[in-house]
Amino acid sequence: SYELTQPPSVSVSPGQTASVTCSGDKLGYKFVFWYHQKPGQSPVLVIFQDDKRPSGIPERFSGSNSGDTATLTISGTQSMDEGDYYCQAWDTSTALFGGGTKLTVL
Amino acid sequence: QVQLQESGPGLVKPSQTLSLTCTVSGGSISSGNSYWSWIRQPAGKGLVWIGRIYTSGTSNYNPSLKSRVTISLDTSKNQFSLNLTSVTAADTAVYYCAREEGYGGNSGGLDSWGQGTLVTVSS
Repeated sequence: SYELTQPPSVSVSPGQTASVTCSGDKLGYKFVFWYHQKPGQSPVLVIFQDDKRPSGIPERFSGSNSGDTATLTISGTQSMDEGDYYCQAWDTSTALFGGGTKLTVL
Repeated sequence: QVQLQESGPGLVKPSQTLSLTCTVSGGSISSGNSYWSWIRQPAGKGLVWIGRIYTSGTSNYNPSLKSRVTISLDTSKNQFSLNLTSVTAADTAVYYCAREEGYGGNSGGLDSWGQGTLVTVSS
């Protein structure tokens, strides 16, 4: 079965750029979505269809997807960006989530 | 902006059926280009997609849960529901309902989520 792999954790200093990766076989041929979840809250869609930002999501969030890896990039990371990030893709009408990456802003 | 709210029992006995309802406000569940989905999250773990239903009634399910899951629509009440049969402790989780909007003929992602409801399976 298809799997999406994310690093368990990523650390970044405030104001720096954070990158969260999501890997899967030929992932570049699929659309990837990214969600941000803070403790005790529901997930929020921050990137859809690889690189599009929903209304209300800050411009510092961007996405890319090529080959076997999709990347969520957060430029000028702020403390409010801490939390868990999940990638998601579709495989034959089934939604799959990556295991999640905990972003820490040190 | 559409809003979603889960409701249902917080405690279910093993082997029984878990039933949850998601009430949609701020928009009609039967209009537009939307799928209505259920996702769950065990404590301290990641997100697991359970399944979805389209406004036409067409549904898709996670293969690992398909034999036990039914998702249905009640357009008269602007609600959709989840039934999960033969539950065990492994089904204990926060259950979320969410809307998936279409975009350009493809999925636009799960753009609106309920606040989630904890369901515990225990005798």
